[in-house]
Amino acid sequence: DTAVSQTPKYLVTQMGNDKSIKCEQNLGHDTMYWYKQDSKKFLKIMFSYNNKELIINETVPNRFSPKSPDKAHLNLHINSLELGDSAVYFCASSQVAAEQYFGPGTRLTVT
Amino acid sequence: AQSVTQLDSQVPVFEEAPVELRCNYSSSVSVYLFWYVQYPNQGLQLLLKYLSGSTLVKSINGFEAEFNKSQTSFHLRKPSVHISDTAEYFCAVSGGLSNFGNEKLTFGTGTRLTIIP
Repeated sequence: DTAVSQTPKYLVTQMGNDKSIKCEQNLGHDTMYWYKQDSKKFLKIMFSYNNKELIINETVPNRFSPKSPDKAHLNLHINSLELGDSAVYFCASSQVAAEQYFGPGTRLTVT
Repeated sequence: AQSVTQLDSQVPVFEEAPVELRCNYSSSVSVYLFWYVQYPNQGLQLLLKYLSGSTLVKSINGFEAEFNKSQTSFHLRKPSVHISDTAEYFCAVSGGLSNFGNEKLTFGTGTRLTIIP
């Protein structure tokens, strides 16, 4: 049973397209996150939701829009994709102020 | 604001030799500290954590880390490494219960551990 799952695992698309990445957790956690890992392996928080409510929104372009239909799901929609959006995107979940469990990542390549 | 510094971007070590991966942090509030491991082409796995209590924490595969508040460090050690330990290791800090609503993990830049046969 996968604790935190993401789909798709790989995503190749062209500049200007709109794409979505889905995340689901079956751990019963209240908080979910999106992180971006760049080509140098640097990881940075993008968004955090607690029980469907946005609580962290780092300085991310508004082309990125997270949506949490329920506390087990956190999706990431990206409009007008740019070359610089190419990265690995990780979803994670946690209980309040505790360790975070990460999904396997989605490798996004924009050409 | 929190920050994490991992001074060594790459650490090559011979198999069965000891290793230490250094991590220093800065924070104005009490923190929780973590080490995550990322094997090639995989996601992040929690290796060990310090939340409270004993400052020496251990993982099931022989790694340990010690929280040193005075030196603001959380170095990772293993007395004898194996080929399978080859991976990227990330130190991370979060704000803990005193910082509710801002539990984001702030990561260091990672240390690539390469085990030489």
